[in-house]
Amino acid sequence: ETGVTQSPTHLIKTRGQQVTLRCSSQSGHNTVSWYQQALGQGPQFIFQYYREEENGRGNFPPRFSGLQFPNYSSELNVNALELDDSALYLCASSLISERETQYFGPGTRLLVL
Amino acid sequence: TQLLEQSPQFLSIQEGENLTVYCNSSSVFSSLQWYRQEPGEGPVLLVTVVTGGEVKKLKRLTFQFGDARKDSSLHITAAQPGDTGLYLCAGAPAFGNEKLTFGTGTRLTIIP
Repeated sequence: ETGVTQSPTHLIKTRGQQVTLRCSSQSGHNTVSWYQQALGQGPQFIFQYYREEENGRGNFPPRFSGLQFPNYSSELNVNALELDDSALYLCASSLISERETQYFGPGTRLLVL
Repeated sequence: TQLLEQSPQFLSIQEGENLTVYCNSSSVFSSLQWYRQEPGEGPVLLVTVVTGGEVKKLKRLTFQFGDARKDSSLHITAAQPGDTGLYLCAGAPAFGNEKLTFGTGTRLTIIP
């Protein structure tokens, strides 16, 4: 059984740039959720995808967008990067029938300068 | 927006001591999870509690869900250096279609 993987592991961008983060779900999982974890904080829910459609969204602006592909892998896109976007971005996969049981990837650490 | 507050925020104790971490909210949750996160890694699920008053044990860790399903505690007996990490609670709302809400976290350090 393959766990959740994310790429890249680290990324440095400058203000105003755009970034794409990638996630491969755990085998058999049909739902993917993205979280932002600022330093010293708990993860904050960004959005969830199920069957390639957004299935819930947290309090994040539209410049945060995502995609889910037929193989259940996913992307998180952030446009017009701001300094406060610097954080660890976590992807978690689950089954839609067991939404509470989420398996997290190692995260992508994004630094915006 | 549902908030989960954890206390203490930081805890540093000697190996062999006992400790309790708390997770509190004014909202009702259908279930509550505890995770441990180590530096450079994502959170790892430790346990899910579902029923009010439920107690689950995982070796030296004891988890309890409050009777009203608004709070939870994690008790560690005879702490070991391997218990060091960030402990996060996360709640699934009882109503609506909102997703998991994470607590603020407790950073635990066990001193050998």
